[in-house]
Amino acid sequence: EDQVTQSPEALRLQEGESSSLNCSYTVSGLRGLFWYRQDPGKGPEFLFTLYSAGEEKEKERLKATLTKKESFLHITAPKPEDSATYLCAVQPPTNAGGTSYGKLTFGQGTILTVHP
Amino acid sequence: DAGITQSPRHKVTETGTPVTLRCHQTENHRYMYWYRQDPGHGLRLIHYSYGVKDTDKGEVSDGYSVSRSKTEDFLLTLESATSSQTSVYFCAIRGLGNEQFFGPGTRLTVL
Repeated sequence: EDQVTQSPEALRLQEGESSSLNCSYTVSGLRGLFWYRQDPGKGPEFLFTLYSAGEEKEKERLKATLTKKESFLHITAPKPEDSATYLCAVQPPTNAGGTSYGKLTFGQGTILTVHP
Repeated sequence: DAGITQSPRHKVTETGTPVTLRCHQTENHRYMYWYRQDPGHGLRLIHYSYGVKDTDKGEVSDGYSVSRSKTEDFLLTLESATSSQTSVYFCAIRGLGNEQFFGPGTRLTVL
């Protein structure tokens, strides 16, 4: 069974204090790893897709990286508006029929709080 | 904005009553998904659809059914709601890069 584990469960930072969130997975033959941001009372908002080890994507203060076993979401000089829950999800390889139907397995998320 | 709406946004119902949640999309996406989100469990897939009248079960499908008679609408039905189905329900569509885009959610409380 595909497993996605995110750590830490919660992270409290001071404004400007850089850090990283971790997403480890056990899927073999990964077809894609996805990062989302979720604000309270809202649906997850898509951030990045990573497809292969060594790949990196950046958006403002966020940078996502991928290895064969895990992904990191690096947050550089965070601001209070970066406070949210960050979710990662993996897409397993296709089944024998060649279709995965795009199903994703999500981790439980990291709650990030950035204090001014 | 992926053009996804969900209705109702909030609903309180009683145990044993049927409930239908609606997901509507405006961009003609083929794949649609229903998830529930609960503390300690994250997002879990209930059912998904890969075309009109083509649906299949996800990991937590017991007690739920779905229908898709038009590309734009994907309905989730709780035939006889139970308190364990109190949750936040999200609909999603699949983008071109296999990423999923989510609707705003429906908060369902079963008393």
